[in-house]
Amino acid sequence: EDQVTQSPEALRLQEGESSSLNCSYTVSGLRGLFWYRQDPGKGPEFLFTLYSAGEEKEKERLKATLTKKESFLHITAPKPEDSATYLCAVRASNSGYALNFGKGTSLLVTP
Amino acid sequence: GAVVSQHPSRVICKSGTSVKIECRSLDFQATTMFWYRQFPKQSLMLMATSNEGSKATYEQGVEKDKFLINHASLTLSTLTVTSAHPEDSSFYICSATKPDRGSVNTEAFFGQGTRLTVV
Repeated sequence: EDQVTQSPEALRLQEGESSSLNCSYTVSGLRGLFWYRQDPGKGPEFLFTLYSAGEEKEKERLKATLTKKESFLHITAPKPEDSATYLCAVRASNSGYALNFGKGTSLLVTP
Repeated sequence: GAVVSQHPSRVICKSGTSVKIECRSLDFQATTMFWYRQFPKQSLMLMATSNEGSKATYEQGVEKDKFLINHASLTLSTLTVTSAHPEDSSFYICSATKPDRGSVNTEAFFGQGTRLTVV
């Protein structure tokens, strides 16, 4: 059975304090690993898709990496506006285009 | 970038009534859309896959007679919660996939979500 596990559940950082969020997965035939940002009461906002081990993508202070077992979302010098829940999801070869989500990491960046 | 619009963003209804939620892909055609449900502090759980021109595919445990899905065009899918009860109160989110031009990859974009409260 496909599984997506995110850690930590919650993370509190000082502004400027870099850190990483983890997404471990087991899936039969990975067809994409997705990172989203979700603000309270809003739908997920697309950040990245990674398709193969070794792939990396960057956007502003965020960088996503992928191995065969896990993905990391690195946050460099975060700002308070980066506070949100970050969701990881995988698409498996036997699931069509549906996504299987982890429970998310709730990030709080304090000034 | 791609935009998926969902309406309404919030709805309060009385127990026993039905509520319709719309999901539109604004700048691309989506042959497949997805409906998810999210409880407080929980992740998104797939409810059903909406296929344009054919019947929706429901996940195990999701009542197809209660959650009616219609995908009448390539840009619109609707979810109707019939005979709603307080336990149906939740955050409903739709998603549409957009093919990455020149690639077999597809990106998945989400609507803003609909907060349903049944009283």
